[in-house]
Amino acid sequence: NAGVMQNPRHLVRRRGQEARLRCSPMKGHSHVYWYRQLPEEGLKFMVYLQKENIIDESGMPKERFSAEFPKEGPSILRIQQVVRGDSAAYFCASSRLQAPEQYFGPGTRLTVT
Amino acid sequence: ILNVEQSPQSLHVQEGDSTNFTCSFPSSNFYALHWYRWETAKSPEALFVMTLNGDEKKKGRISATLNTKEGYSYLYIKGSQPEDSATYLCAGGGSNYKLTFGKGTLLTVNP
Repeated sequence: NAGVMQNPRHLVRRRGQEARLRCSPMKGHSHVYWYRQLPEEGLKFMVYLQKENIIDESGMPKERFSAEFPKEGPSILRIQQVVRGDSAAYFCASSRLQAPEQYFGPGTRLTVT
Repeated sequence: ILNVEQSPQSLHVQEGDSTNFTCSFPSSNFYALHWYRWETAKSPEALFVMTLNGDEKKKGRISATLNTKEGYSYLYIKGSQPEDSATYLCAGGGSNYKLTFGKGTLLTVNP
């Protein structure tokens, strides 16, 4: 049973470019969560999605960030016009129901140059 | 839950030593407490989820306790082994999905 998959594992973007991060949840999981880890910080909640629905995006920056979890395919976290402050590790987790156990992927490390 | 604190930040022990570390959280608006084990370049691995005051969970040599009234949880490792070396994260949930993580305790077990 494959775990949560994230790709790419490492992503380098120049300032102003777009970053697309993908997350495939575990088989049978229909709930996806995105977290961000800035340097020297703990993991911070960004957004919680179910298939075709954003349930809670209270942790998402107001501009440039968006997330989706379509009926088919992976969940996508999209960052437009990246800036150096977006450099971080982005983790995705999935669960069967609303928690309690969230299973994490290995993360995507985004570097903005 | 707004603030989860973990101590110590890092810990070095010798193989065979038993050790423990602490996670503290605001006791109000508590839903659940999660412990994860995280090795470098791998996914955080779920260890325990606890919800009730007085909960105790055990997995092999690792165990955890929960005190929701005073807002803390302890993680214990008995007879530490080099393969226990990892960062141990705790996360508080003020709801059944929104986790607030501490910065972790980095454990190094020397052979």
